[in-house]
Amino acid sequence: EVQLVESGGGLVKPGGSLRLSCAASGFTFTNAWMSWVRQAPGKGLEWVGRIKSKTDGGTTDYAAPVKGRFTISRDDSKNTLYLQMNSLKTEDTAVYYCSTALTMTGGAFDIWGQGTMVTVSS
Amino acid sequence: QSVLTQPPSASGTPGQRVTISCSGSSSNIGSNTVHWYQQLPGTAPKLLIYSNNQRPSGVPGRFSGSKSGTSASLAISGLQSEDEADYYCAAWDDSLNGYVFGTGTKVTVL
Repeated sequence: EVQLVESGGGLVKPGGSLRLSCAASGFTFTNAWMSWVRQAPGKGLEWVGRIKSKTDGGTTDYAAPVKGRFTISRDDSKNTLYLQMNSLKTEDTAVYYCSTALTMTGGAFDIWGQGTMVTVSS
Repeated sequence: QSVLTQPPSASGTPGQRVTISCSGSSSNIGSNTVHWYQQLPGTAPKLLIYSNNQRPSGVPGRFSGSKSGTSASLAISGLQSEDEADYYCAAWDDSLNGYVFGTGTKVTVL
């Protein structure tokens, strides 16, 4: 079964750090371009960033609000995606989803995890 | 804030046709394909339409998508109670070098 399972969410103070993980199974993780998408409580979806497969360079792209504070990485040996979040702000409070385009969907995300909640509050 | 604009809400009675618009610009919808996602309450988003008008396996045929210039639309024909959800358009934005979502539309079945 194709599956993405996020973990690592929790309560953190403003200015703090947190690392999220996304464990992938049921597909060839090595070939996948992986993304993080977040959703603040009662708000819409916001793309956070992505990491390409190592075959395609392994480079990362980030949305402006998180650039310089968040870092996306991957460990293909563990089939795991990471999101390192530093200098957290209250506005980073959200459910964080990992996602990927598994089939030929023109880059659209057809696989999503269940999400993990991050709360930034003093 | 989102660069893709959708109406905040849409509604219809069972069996009716509902259309949701998505307005963008030349750097996103105007030069890349549009995707649509459905999000039921308390769940992760689900891909509904990709590449403007393609349905993934398992998505009912009553969902259809179209694109013209810098705008796109999602149509739900034969509205059903289980279609009550939030719907988001999305596309890659060449200027931002990022993926952008629409503001979202809440569909209510009356």
